[in-house]
Amino acid sequence: QVQLQESGPGLVKPSQTLSLTCTVSGGSISSGNYYWSWIRQHPGKGLEWIGYIYDSGSTYYNPSLKSRVTISIDTSKNQFSLKLSSVTAADTAVYYCAREVEYCGGDCSSYFDYWGQGTLVTVSS
Amino acid sequence: QSVLTQPPSVSGAPGQTITISCTGSSSNIGAGYDVHWYQQLPGTAPKFLIYGNSNRPSGVPDRFSGSKSGTSASLAITGLQAEDEADYYCQSYDSSLTVFGGGTKLTVL
Repeated sequence: QVQLQESGPGLVKPSQTLSLTCTVSGGSISSGNYYWSWIRQHPGKGLEWIGYIYDSGSTYYNPSLKSRVTISIDTSKNQFSLKLSSVTAADTAVYYCAREVEYCGGDCSSYFDYWGQGTLVTVSS
Repeated sequence: QSVLTQPPSVSGAPGQTITISCTGSSSNIGAGYDVHWYQQLPGTAPKFLIYGNSNRPSGVPDRFSGSKSGTSASLAITGLQAEDEADYYCQSYDSSLTVFGGGTKLTVL
C-alpha cells in the first residue's frame, strides 16, 4: 500500500519561501510509471493543482504559479519537495502531495490515486 | 471560477439516488479528456473514487458510478448512506493542464 506524508513548517512569513517535503513509502518513487504532484486547497475552497515531477526530474507547473514554484525529487530518500517563493496570505492553504497516474482512455489525461493527509500552511507575520 | 462547473450542493435521503453534474467545454471534457472523481470526507484528504469517466478502483462500492456525454460528466450515488456525506470533486484536463471542479457538498438528510 503506497503512502504519502507531507512535512514542513506550518507557518511561513509573507515574502518568504514555503518549503514542503513528501515522503513516499510502500513503493519506489523511481518506478517510472507515475508523476509526483502537489495540490493545494484554500480554506473552505476547491482543489488547485500546483505541478508535478517525474522521476527523471522533468517538471510541469500550473502556469498561474509557475514563476514561483519549484518541485524537486530525491530518489535516494524516496521524497519529492515543493518550494513556493514570495508567499502572501493568498497562499494559505492545505497542501497535499499525491501520486499521479497517466490514463489514456480518450485523450490522455491523469488522475491522483494516492494522496497524503495534507498539511496546513499559514502565511502570516 | 472553476473551469469545470459543479452544483455547490445536493442532498438526498438515505436510500435515494443522487447525481452530481460536472459541466465543461470544448477545451476540456468536450475535447475528449476523461473525467475523474474524488470524495473528500470532512477533515480528510480527497479519496480516489472514479477514473476514466466510469471506472471504479478496487474497494469503491458499486453504488458509485460515473458517466460522460459531450461536454459534461456525472457522478451517481445509489442507495445513499449517511457515510456518503462529503464533498465531491470532478477532475479533467484543459489545454494539457489538470483542472478540478469547484466541488459539490452532498448532504444526507
